[in-house]
Amino acid sequence: QKEVEQNSGPLSVPEGAIASLNCTYSDRGSQSFFWYRQYSGKSPELIMFIYSNGDKEDGRFTAQLNKASQYVSLLIRDSQPSDSATYLCAVNMNSRGYSTLTFGKGTMLLVSP
Amino acid sequence: GAGVSQSPRYKVAKRGQDVALRCDPISGHVSLFWYQQALGQGPEFLTYFQNEAQLDKSGLPSDRFFAERPEGSVSTLKIQRTQQEDSAVYLCASSGQQGNTIYFGEGSWLTVV
Repeated sequence: QKEVEQNSGPLSVPEGAIASLNCTYSDRGSQSFFWYRQYSGKSPELIMFIYSNGDKEDGRFTAQLNKASQYVSLLIRDSQPSDSATYLCAVNMNSRGYSTLTFGKGTMLLVSP
Repeated sequence: GAGVSQSPRYKVAKRGQDVALRCDPISGHVSLFWYQQALGQGPEFLTYFQNEAQLDKSGLPSDRFFAERPEGSVSTLKIQRTQQEDSAVYLCASSGQQGNTIYFGEGSWLTVV
């Protein structure tokens, strides 16, 4: 089992809809969780991070964390065509004694006009 | 500098050739990471530096891969006798002492022909 799992997609949503991206992780000791957006041919760009159970909102983005279920999600409200990209879930695996990120494969999101 | 800077952005190497990829992290960032991202995959951890010390090189795929950060700032990833399977984007990232947030450079795109 991979340490961080994501559905590769593509996830297709119409403009203005809510896009829901999901991620599960295997290490129960993980403390922090990150969502990166990656446009084709570009490097990952940090969107949000979350440490505590529950929801964290930033503009049109909401990150949700459920540590008991080892599940983290990203909701994008009022999706725009410019949101079309691959979304990478990353988990801080501090088990090495320092902070580094383990990534999922990413979910491709396509927002149609 | 303002962000993580990598060079060259694009490199085409003939099989068997040695390559060197450079990373200039965000000024003052203690931690520096190298990741490898193959097409359609998430970034995979290669190695980690804290200042000039290479604390983890468990992700380096073979002894043809070597990384250094002699003065605790700029880092170089060297790949000897390149093979076709080395074709990927090599991402450098850095983070500060306080936080977990890791920032990526634009990547070096390596194609081995």
